[in-house]
Parts: sequence; structure tokens; C-alpha cells
Amino acid sequence: DIQMTQSPSSLSASVGDRVTITCRASQSFSRFLNWYQQKSGKAPKLLIYAASSLQSGVPSRFSGSGSGADFTLTISSLQPEDFATYYCQQTYSSPFTFGPGTTVHIK
Amino acid sequence: EVQLVQSGAEVKKPGESLRLSCKGSGYSFTSYWISWVRQMPGKGLEWMGRIDPGDSRADYNPSFQGHVTISADKSISTAYLQWGGLKASDTAMYYCARQDPSGWFPLGYWGQGTLVTVSS
Repeated sequence: DIQMTQSPSSLSASVGDRVTITCRASQSFSRFLNWYQQKSGKAPKLLIYAASSLQSGVPSRFSGSGSGADFTLTISSLQPEDFATYYCQQTYSSPFTFGPGTTVHIK
Repeated sequence: EVQLVQSGAEVKKPGESLRLSCKGSGYSFTSYWISWVRQMPGKGLEWMGRIDPGDSRADYNPSFQGHVTISADKSISTAYLQWGGLKASDTAMYYCARQDPSGWFPLGYWGQGTLVTVSS
């Protein structure tokens, strides 16, 4: 199975800050990497697919990059509604494993 | 509008059986996989497995294989997740999600989740 790690596990940031979350896979694959946002008590929501493609309806302050085994989610200017937990997921090979999540807290 | 509507919360005893449902609407049900995802209390997301509703072929995470069964009835656009004998450790929120079978396979649409509580 492909193991996914994320760093940091949590962070504190202020509205307007630039935030970067990193996801690393235990083996390399092309762009089969997706990012999800989950707010407390809600279902996850797809933000980014294929490492860098923005899902329809997602604000452009979210962006993704990377290939191989290292990927990044960036929020260019953090908004109040962005405080949530973010998960990466590889869909290169089954089982389609998720990272452990990164929680973004209000500073 | 694409929607996945899951069945309601369940409270069960250890050893009991259970079947959760996930009804898709607003799209061609047989054109997309349905994946199931577990979230234990206060924990992260775990991909359990998926099914192709077109041919009912299922693919399981080895961590869940043998303990759950994923099935689908395309005639009513509904996927299922079932257990033959629940354990207390099955207490969790369970989500179904529509998975695009072409390209990069993201989970693009999610159900609202079903909370399962297993307690004696």
C-alpha cells in the first residue's frame, strides 16, 4: 500500500496569511493526488484533483502543485471559512489511501 | 444536481448485522464508481473500498476485506455497505462518495454521512 504523510499535523494562522501544507507519498506516482477540505461535522469536499486542477466552484486562492512523491496545497490568503482540516489522497493505486490530515486553526 | 443521500444513523449491538445505503441522483449511476470512507471518532479518513455499479465489481482495502461487503443495485441507483457481525470498533461515521472512473479518480461528490454506534 502507498503510505501518505502530511506536514504539519496542525498549524495556527491569521486571516490573510499564506498557508502551505505538504503531502508526501511512500512511492512516486504522476499526478494522482487529490486534496479535500473537511469542516467540523461535515462531509469532506474536493478542492484539488490531479495535483493541481481546481475543482469547479472552489475559490482560486486554493492551489496545488507537485508530482512524483511530494505535493503541496497552498491557500494564498486565508479566509475565515478556510479554518478546517485538509486531507490529501492518492488515487494511483488501490487502496486509495488518505494522509492523516492537517488542521488549520485560528491564531 | 448530483446528490448522494445516505440512510440514517444506526445504534446496534456487537454481533448484529447492518446495511447502510447510499442513493445517487442527478447523474448516470452506472457511469461512476461509489467509494465508502470511514471516519472513526476524532480521527482521519480511511478508504474502505469501491464498487462499479455497472457490473457490481468491488475492490476492497485489505484492512476491511472480509469484514464488510460493498454492493449496488443499479435499478434503484443505490449502493450498500454491510456488516455480518458488528464490533464496537465499527463505531464511526461512514461516507459514500462518487468516484470518477476516468482520469484521476477523485471523490468529487460526497453523501452526508451515516453515524454508526455499536455498543452493548
